[in-house]
Amino acid sequence: DGGITQSPKYLFRKEGQNVTLSCEQNLNHDAMYWYRQDPGQGLRLIYYSQIVNDFQKGDIAEGYSVSREKKESFPLTVTSAQKNPTAFYLCASSETERIYGYTFGSGTRLTVV
Amino acid sequence: GQQLNQSPQSMFIQEGEDVSMNCTSSSIFNTWLWYKQDPGEGPVLLIALYKAGELTSNGRLTAQFGITRKDSFLNISASIPSDVGIYFCAGRNSNSGYALNFGKGTSLLVTP
Repeated sequence: DGGITQSPKYLFRKEGQNVTLSCEQNLNHDAMYWYRQDPGQGLRLIYYSQIVNDFQKGDIAEGYSVSREKKESFPLTVTSAQKNPTAFYLCASSETERIYGYTFGSGTRLTVV
Repeated sequence: GQQLNQSPQSMFIQEGEDVSMNCTSSSIFNTWLWYKQDPGEGPVLLIALYKAGELTSNGRLTAQFGITRKDSFLNISASIPSDVGIYFCAGRNSNSGYALNFGKGTSLLVTP
């Protein structure tokens, strides 16, 4: 079955460390996205990519970095520069020619300890 | 991104009641979407709307794309306990490209 997979489901990080969240899709979607979710804040866009080797900053990109070397993969690195990284991170993908909405992964909960 | 105003923030209802929530924006949107999120999971698409005035149903769910293109609502009829979750509206306009703007969500609790 086609879908989008995020791993790990739970992640703990010490302050000052970088950590990379994985996102893989086999839906043949061109576009991929990373959102951050905090209680009562809804979903806020971190980065998005419409095509391989290209990506754009979203509303809250500071302290994060991404890469898009393959169509199927869009990893997110939470760097030590991100002041408040504890959150639920959601990856999504969509077609670009006919946009029916996103398909979301099941999320990664990152906790800084 | 464009901020969407979603209301109410939360609802606490009894099983069998109907539910209504809405979303507004200050600018025109060309796509409105409604998602449901279960705890600890990613949102799942419920209904997508692409034309002003469009009214679409998905089982007990009905959503409409407002005539002004600045609002949308979602109705749930005869609620059941599994309707519990957070409902998000999302929209796209010509300025946001492929990226969706999301509301802050409506948290729905249903008591048996």
